[in-house]
Amino acid sequence: EVQLLESGGGLVQPGGSLRLSCAASGFTFSKYAMSWVRQAPGKGLEWVSSISGSGGRTFHADSVKGRFTISRDNSKSTLHLQMNSLRVEDTAVYYCAKDSLEGRVYPNQVDFWGQGNLVTVSP
Amino acid sequence: DIQMTQSPSSLSASVGDRVTITCRASHDISNSLAWYQQKPGKAPKLLLYLASRLESGVPSRFSGSGSGTDYTLTISSLQPEDFATYYCQQYYFTPQWTFGQGTKVEIK
Repeated sequence: EVQLLESGGGLVQPGGSLRLSCAASGFTFSKYAMSWVRQAPGKGLEWVSSISGSGGRTFHADSVKGRFTISRDNSKSTLHLQMNSLRVEDTAVYYCAKDSLEGRVYPNQVDFWGQGNLVTVSP
Repeated sequence: DIQMTQSPSSLSASVGDRVTITCRASHDISNSLAWYQQKPGKAPKLLLYLASRLESGVPSRFSGSGSGTDYTLTISSLQPEDFATYYCQQYYFTPQWTFGQGTKVEIK
């Protein structure tokens, strides 16, 4: 059974940093591109970052470029999102998301999602 | 950037009704479209991909159609468990995914 277990969220002041993690199990983690998608309170879904299975290719939305860094540790089947220079508008539930097909560098549709992890940026 | 315009933003329907939700892309996305269902406090769930392919385990009352810039999600006979918010997602310009604004399906 595929499981994506997120951790690391919480309350942080503007300008602060947080690191989100997503522990994966039930599939060969290194074969799948992974992504982070966020959802501000009461709002829709927004793509944040993606990473290829090997970790060699990373992609970030313009809204987080230069502040967030996606990475993965395939030996531990774990996905990370390092978030620096956080802003109030980064407040959201952050989901880790698994691509549906192995071997793609550029992910397509998501077939499994984590449970979500709330990040609150507030003075 | 590609924009995804979803309509309506909300609708009220009764159990057994046929429901249609549309999603329009600002550019041709060549069927690179997925539909998700999200219930309050839960992660989204994949329903369809490549515009019309049903994800394994999803009931056949869900169907998708469309091409080019215009796509449709149809629920043929609404069930109590279908009351939720639905999102479309383009992945033609992957990894720069874009989601529609969502359609909330409520009980009439």
